[in-house]
Amino acid sequence: DVKVTQSSRYLVKRTGEKVFLECVQDMDHENMFWYRQDPGLGLRLIYFSYDVKMKEKGDIPEGYSVSREKKERFSLILESASTNQTSMYLCASSQGSPNQPQHFGDGTRLSIL
Amino acid sequence: DQQVKQNSPSLSVQEGRISILNCDYTNSMFDYFLWYKKYPAEGPTFLISISSIKDKNEDGRFTVFLNKSAKHLSLHIVPSQPGDSAVYFCAASTFGNEKLTFGTGTRLTIIP
Repeated sequence: DVKVTQSSRYLVKRTGEKVFLECVQDMDHENMFWYRQDPGLGLRLIYFSYDVKMKEKGDIPEGYSVSREKKERFSLILESASTNQTSMYLCASSQGSPNQPQHFGDGTRLSIL
Repeated sequence: DQQVKQNSPSLSVQEGRISILNCDYTNSMFDYFLWYKKYPAEGPTFLISISSIKDKNEDGRFTVFLNKSAKHLSLHIVPSQPGDSAVYFCAASTFGNEKLTFGTGTRLTIIP
């Protein structure tokens, strides 16, 4: 089974802090994704990566950056956390061939105070 | 602009009956569709998918129907069980594009 592991289930940070969310997958997947889930808005794509050191903006990249130095690890960075970034963050991975489902981690509930 | 829409935020169904969850899309370039199920405090899990060359795909109690002309898909769960109570998301992508566009979700509650 695919295992996508997010480093923290719950995280509380203060406004202005730099926040790192880590994600690791164990299936040698080429693609990795970061989403945020908010009530009534579903899952919205922040960034994704289709290869090491490659990244593309999703639908809501503002205020975020990402890093993928190794194939199995994809990090989401909040450069200067703000209260409107309080959300559930979900990481996913998928194979690099067409029409493959994405596999998700259990999420990080991030609160910015 | 919401390209994938789930117009029912919630649905309640008696145990043993059929649950029908609906999803509409506006982008005619979408050709691959998926359903995910999400329990509280867990990530979404992949349930079933369908490509645009088909109009139906079955997997056990779950069947997805695709009506391309209406830009509509539905997920049927028969018979519904208490463990099916969860939030269901539909998602869509275009060929060769690994990005998924998700709907806003429908919370299904199965009444014992």
